[in-house]
Amino acid sequence: AQSVTQLDSHVSVSEGTPVLLRCNYSSSYSPSLFWYVQHPNKGLQLLLKYTSAATLVKGINGFEAEFKKSETSFHLTKPSAHMSDAAEYFCVVSDPSGNTPLVFGKGTRLSVIA
Amino acid sequence: ETGVTQTPRHLVMGMTNKKSLKCEQHLGHNAMYWYKQSAKKPLELMFVYSLEERVENNSVPSRFSPECPNSSHLFLHLHTLQPEDSALYLCASSQQHRGPSNSPLHFGNGTRLTVT
Repeated sequence: AQSVTQLDSHVSVSEGTPVLLRCNYSSSYSPSLFWYVQHPNKGLQLLLKYTSAATLVKGINGFEAEFKKSETSFHLTKPSAHMSDAAEYFCVVSDPSGNTPLVFGKGTRLSVIA
Repeated sequence: ETGVTQTPRHLVMGMTNKKSLKCEQHLGHNAMYWYKQSAKKPLELMFVYSLEERVENNSVPSRFSPECPNSSHLFLHLHTLQPEDSALYLCASSQQHRGPSNSPLHFGNGTRLTVT
């Protein structure tokens, strides 16, 4: 069985400061991991994806995430927050064979203060 | 533009009404999905269609009835809903259902459903 825990339901940062959104996973396999972003009144959009290639994954809009097997973590980071980054972020885990459904975290709401 | 279009964007219906949600994808994908997004809860997978065949039905009440007439269109027919069914209903598509490394999901903007 797989699960994913997003450690913070809400994160607030000032514009121009770093962003850290935390995600821990549990999986019987070496997992595939994803981050999705949802802006208000929109659907979810894929930010980045890890599938056992490089452990540091770069995504869109300057975001990146690092897969750390020893810590079972896949935290999302960005060096400098922009007002347009304010949204809900979802960490997602799957087994690499794709034979089980995606498991979504509960989401972290990111607020960016001017 | 996500390539996945959902209509209507908002829907208010009474508990005795019958309505349908529509989803259309222009990405040439083979799999389509319905998800329910409620406040404070993880995204819930409702139905999956792969090559127009329903492959998953996650214990969804029969008042929700999906239909997939072809690989580009997906419907969710609603009847005798309850107030707790109020939520954002998201349609998604992917290149294939399951398989190695899971093809990423492409989501529509959702239909905000309110049941009164």
